[in-house]
Amino acid sequence: GAGVSQSPSNKVTEKGKDVELRCDPISGHTALYWYRQSLGQGLEFLIYFQGNSAPDKSGLPSDRFSAERTGGSVSTLTIQRTQQEDSAVYLCASSIHFRTDTQYFGPGTRLTVL
Amino acid sequence: AQSVTQLGSHVSVSEGALVLLRCNYSSSVPPYLFWYVQYPNQGLQLLLKYTSAATLVKGINGFEAEFKKSETSFHLTKPSAHMSDAAEYFCAVSAVGGGKLIFGQGTELSVKP
Repeated sequence: GAGVSQSPSNKVTEKGKDVELRCDPISGHTALYWYRQSLGQGLEFLIYFQGNSAPDKSGLPSDRFSAERTGGSVSTLTIQRTQQEDSAVYLCASSIHFRTDTQYFGPGTRLTVL
Repeated sequence: AQSVTQLGSHVSVSEGALVLLRCNYSSSVPPYLFWYVQYPNQGLQLLLKYTSAATLVKGINGFEAEFKKSETSFHLTKPSAHMSDAAEYFCAVSAVGGGKLIFGQGTELSVKP
């Protein structure tokens, strides 16, 4: 079946612009996760959703970052007023339930802020 | 707090040689542990997971890992490396109560012909 999909695959933006990254989880998966992968910081957790609720958003690095999930399916990660340090690969994952162990990852969105 | 330490950011082996990637964890409760592999420009693919059943876990592509509570380790091994094993490997622990994964810094595996 279809895996986790993310769009766009690449995004180049100018400093100060807003960007939206999209994640489409595996059908039937109620939990959805966002991670960020960068050279200096490795793989960092950002936020996760169980259904449309976000029980843990402790990894969001600043109030410029926000995420939402509607209809228990697609999620959007929004970064406002982008900075160069936001350049990274943003990975999305989903699992059947947040207490279920296996997370399945999408291919990621590579964000470059000029 | 839970944490994961991967010893060696880069490991190089010859084709056909043993692969050993080291992972140590810190957790106050029995953990769920994972190894993921990432090929260039791709997402993470699950290799194997430990969920408190058998301590020796077999995964895909001939990899296996052994959970050793006394050593707080979960090292990844493969008896004979193949060129296609060249990738980055991540060890991770599941947060207490579920939710996020906490990753190690990753180990890049190179395989020489």
